[in-house]
Amino acid sequence: GQSLEQPSEVTAVEGAIVQINCTYQTSGFYGLSWYQQHDGGAPTFLSYNALDGLEETGRFSSFLSRSDSYGYLLLQELQMKDSASYFCASSGNTPLVFGKGTRLSVIA
Amino acid sequence: EAQVTQNPRYLITVTGKKLTVTCSQNMNHEYMSWYRQDPGLGLRQIYYSMNVEVTDKGDVPEGYKVSRKEKRNFPLILESPSPNQTSLYFCASSSVGQGARDGYTFGSGTRLTVV
Repeated sequence: GQSLEQPSEVTAVEGAIVQINCTYQTSGFYGLSWYQQHDGGAPTFLSYNALDGLEETGRFSSFLSRSDSYGYLLLQELQMKDSASYFCASSGNTPLVFGKGTRLSVIA
Repeated sequence: EAQVTQNPRYLITVTGKKLTVTCSQNMNHEYMSWYRQDPGLGLRQIYYSMNVEVTDKGDVPEGYKVSRKEKRNFPLILESPSPNQTSLYFCASSSVGQGARDGYTFGSGTRLTVV
């Protein structure tokens, strides 16, 4: 089977850095993806990691450790508009499976 | 514009009345999928399709049907809706080979209420 664990809620201050962790158990693991979803909106793709290490895209970075079955999403210079839910998702022998999501609240 | 189009956006129906939620994509994607989203449960896959005439059950297929007669369309059918199918539904598509790497494209969602 496949399962992913991530914190349900995180709160951080505007301008700060926040890390959202994700651990996974995935048969035939290929890679880890991250999606952002604002309230009332559709999930949108942020990043994908297939190899160990850090991938940076602007203020957002994503990290993967295959040996630890662990990854994280790092958001820097937080802005109010980053308040949203963030989902990790693993791809493997079956189609993409999503975690339950982490609700990020950015406060002034 | 590359997009996944779902209709309707909102639907209120009564128990037992058959309904169809349509999904269409204009990106020539092979892979299409339906998810339902409920508070605290994340996105759960209902059915997916790897190509025309190929469909498979996801994690929560009970009470749903799908068809893939054309590459661009993947309708979700509820033959006899029940209140526990009240949820937010998303259709998504991607290319098969690079789907995870390039990301799934989601439709805007359909909020279904069954009374």
